[in-house]
Amino acid sequence: GAGVSQSPSNKVTEKGKDVELRCDPISGHTALYWYRQRLGQGLEFLIYFQGNSAPDKSGLPSDRFSAERTGESVSTLTIQRTQQEDSAVYLCASGPFSGANVLTFGAGSRLTVL
Amino acid sequence: DAKTTQPPSMDCAEGRAANLPCNHSTISGNEYVYWYRQIHSQGPQYIIHGLKNNETNEMASLIITEDRKSSTLILPHATLRDTAVYYCIVRDPTYNQGGKLIFGQGTELSVKP
Repeated sequence: GAGVSQSPSNKVTEKGKDVELRCDPISGHTALYWYRQRLGQGLEFLIYFQGNSAPDKSGLPSDRFSAERTGESVSTLTIQRTQQEDSAVYLCASGPFSGANVLTFGAGSRLTVL
Repeated sequence: DAKTTQPPSMDCAEGRAANLPCNHSTISGNEYVYWYRQIHSQGPQYIIHGLKNNETNEMASLIITEDRKSSTLILPHATLRDTAVYYCIVRDPTYNQGGKLIFGQGTELSVKP
């Protein structure tokens, strides 16, 4: 597609449930990022994939968070045993190999944990 | 990564030029200056980037000082739709050197009628 697609756009879940968020990057983009943005706060880096290199997971806040990406395609961010503090907008971005810092962002997935 | 410093907020009158400063005194030779903005309730949007020469595109101009220790993003004729948080980021774009892209607190620009 022409842009970065994220789904679902909105997710409401109960505390303790697992959620999976999906990101479809721009075709051919080797770089893929996940960020979290709590209400009224800045962007918090979570994880970075670059091609077939080992991902940089240094931003994942706990072992309840994990992300996968197969090659240069779709990525999924999984949050297990959700907590209320996980409520946020989760943003995905992708970038080309030659300009890995020029990112295109998706519209985000808004997660609300009750 | 080179640390950047931006004012937390700025106001600009509609139709006037908005000049957003960024200090990056520890920038290294391989690092570029990137600007993004985030309009309320939207994902961030790439604006422009540069190494040492001034750059211009349809959105903005980027002026980098000769010593590269600071830069200014210029929106030549600000509109109400330019109200957003503007992020200045300094990064090495080289594969295996670039690493993760981190956003700071940025400058909240309010364009007023």
